[in-house]
Amino acid sequence: SQQGEEDPQALSIQEGENATMNCSYKTSINNLQWYRQNSGRGLVHLILIRSNEREKHSGRLRVTLDTSKKSSSLLITASRAADTASYFCATDANGQNFVFGPGTRLSVLP
Amino acid sequence: DSGVTQTPKHLITATGQRVTLRCSPRSGDLSVYWYQQSLDQGLQFLIQYYNGEERAKGNILERFSAQQFPDLHSELNLSSLELGDSALYFCASSVGPWGVRGGADYGYTFGSGTRLTVV
Repeated sequence: SQQGEEDPQALSIQEGENATMNCSYKTSINNLQWYRQNSGRGLVHLILIRSNEREKHSGRLRVTLDTSKKSSSLLITASRAADTASYFCATDANGQNFVFGPGTRLSVLP
Repeated sequence: DSGVTQTPKHLITATGQRVTLRCSPRSGDLSVYWYQQSLDQGLQFLIQYYNGEERAKGNILERFSAQQFPDLHSELNLSSLELGDSALYFCASSVGPWGVRGGADYGYTFGSGTRLTVV
């Protein structure tokens, strides 16, 4: 089974609105990462947050991590049509490679 | 351009055939990871190499094999292909795996993938 599970599976918002995606995982981690994938393309690394960090920012992205709840959230502020993509969280729970969740499909409507 | 090069971009082949997918990691990266992405299974880790040696194995079928060469490029060989093998195959690279200085702590760099269609 997947270590990380994103929620919701799909999200549709208007341009300018904020988008929030959540990731829950099952076992302890050292770090958690978020990736973006445009349709049929490779994954692009967005941000990494370590287990001793609670929040991280990168441009319009804000990631939080709550290790007590084994969950993370990705917030995209002031969304744009170009943000339309699938977003994946990945965790390093097995200590050897990153395990990806099934992803959240974000549609930003103009 | 991520710096990770995968060839070919598209591949159409018949059931029972064998194909080879190629990956050149980003300059300076010693680790290569192969992932399979299908609609029903999501992103599945197949295998990892570090500096020419197999480091970790995931859900890789016995019909599949891989290697990393001295110049650090990697090849994924898929044989006796079945319809269900149709998927996107991604290669990713990092400086090194966990436990090695530089490690995978800064994330992977993915290639643009090879879309394999088995007919």
